Amino acid sequence: SSELTQDPVVSVALGQTVRITCQGDSLRSYYASWYQQKPGQAPVLVIYGKNNRPSGIPDRFSGSISGNTTSLTITGAQAEDEADYHCNCRDTSGYYWVFGGGTKLTVL
Amino acid sequence: QLQLQESGPRLVKASETLSLTCTVSGGSVDTYYWSWIRQPPGKGLEWIGDIYYRGRTNYNPSLRRRVTVSVDPSNNQLSLKLTSVTPADTAIYYCAREDGGRSSGERFDYWGQGTLVTVSS
Repeated sequence: SSELTQDPVVSVALGQTVRITCQGDSLRSYYASWYQQKPGQAPVLVIYGKNNRPSGIPDRFSGSISGNTTSLTITGAQAEDEADYHCNCRDTSGYYWVFGGGTKLTVL
Repeated sequence: QLQLQESGPRLVKASETLSLTCTVSGGSVDTYYWSWIRQPPGKGLEWIGDIYYRGRTNYNPSLRRRVTVSVDPSNNQLSLKLTSVTPADTAIYYCAREDGGRSSGERFDYWGQGTLVTVSS
């Protein structure tokens, strides 16, 4: 199996750009997906694949990958973007799924 | 619009079996893989296992000995059984649909609202 590592806490000033990262060996072989989770709610898919957004997700959300690190970028963060963000990927075997520990994003 | 709804006992005693059902509406369980995922209060997400409608399953190695996931196409439902529970199994349990492939990017595109199950000692 493999692990995904995220920074526990990240903050950003309103309207500025923030990058949330996720590291893991399996990211060299599989695309990650990113989920936004607000308090008391289920996770919502925001980015998947190379850089794909599901319908209804604002275009200020984007994804990228370099080596064993995948990133979620929010360009022009809004107050409503304050949430926990989880990355997810197949493990190195390809049979199982792993999640990062989650990043709590604070918009100042 | 696909909807998933988890149901089952909210309180389970330690050493007993946790049983949950996920009812799928607006779509069929006869396609796709379906997963169970859990989240202890205040913590991150943990994948439990998944199933394809024909019965092929994969389980998290850390839970494999205690987990069974099954599917009932006639009722459009998934089920989860977790045996010999302890307070450490207290969590919000979600069901979710898997979509995509390796080239396009696999993901969980639909989630249930989740149900909190508390294991009492």
